[in-house]
Amino acid sequence: AQRVTQPEKLLSVFKGAPVELKCNYSYSGSPELFWYVQYSRQRLQLLLRHISRESIKGFTADLNKGETSFHLKKPFAQEEDSAMYYCALSPRNAGNMLTFGGGTRLMVKP
Amino acid sequence: GAGVSQSPSNKVTEKGKDVELRCDPISGHTALYWYRQSLGQGLEFLIYFQGNSAPDKSGLPSDRFSAERTGGSVSTLTIQRTQQEDSAVYLCASSLGLVQTQYFGPGTRLLVL
Repeated sequence: AQRVTQPEKLLSVFKGAPVELKCNYSYSGSPELFWYVQYSRQRLQLLLRHISRESIKGFTADLNKGETSFHLKKPFAQEEDSAMYYCALSPRNAGNMLTFGGGTRLMVKP
Repeated sequence: GAGVSQSPSNKVTEKGKDVELRCDPISGHTALYWYRQSLGQGLEFLIYFQGNSAPDKSGLPSDRFSAERTGGSVSTLTIQRTQQEDSAVYLCASSLGLVQTQYFGPGTRLLVL
């Protein structure tokens, strides 16, 4: 069975500071990893997925298969980045259902 | 374009009553997913549909939960004899295909008194 762990429930940084949201996973196969974000009073939305290798809103995430991690990083946090962030894994089998981590609330202070 | 919609947005019910939650996916999306978000369990997968078929029902927490999808579009999640532990936000997502990005609805907040 797969598992996703986000060790920090809350991460508070000042505007302009670097931010790293940690995500570790366990899965015996070759998964696909995602970061989803939920801004206040908005629905859950995809931020990025590892196969795209994109940078969205200044965020990047690299899949490290050796450490089974998929940490989300941004060099300079903005106040509008304050939100709930969820790391998720898909086994890439027929169903593609997502297994989510517990989420990290990011607060960016002015 | 219109995103995934869910109704009702909020539902308060008494323990033991049945409830139906509805999901309207994005037009043309063949895959549909139900998740549950609760304080104790976080976000957990319940069931998915490919077309009208649900190949994997292993995520449903008990036999009080069932779901169906008709016409490859609207889906209904039914909870029979609701219990207080069923209180949660029920999220629906749809995708163009099984390996495509899932787009989430706003959720239905269920409170069982």
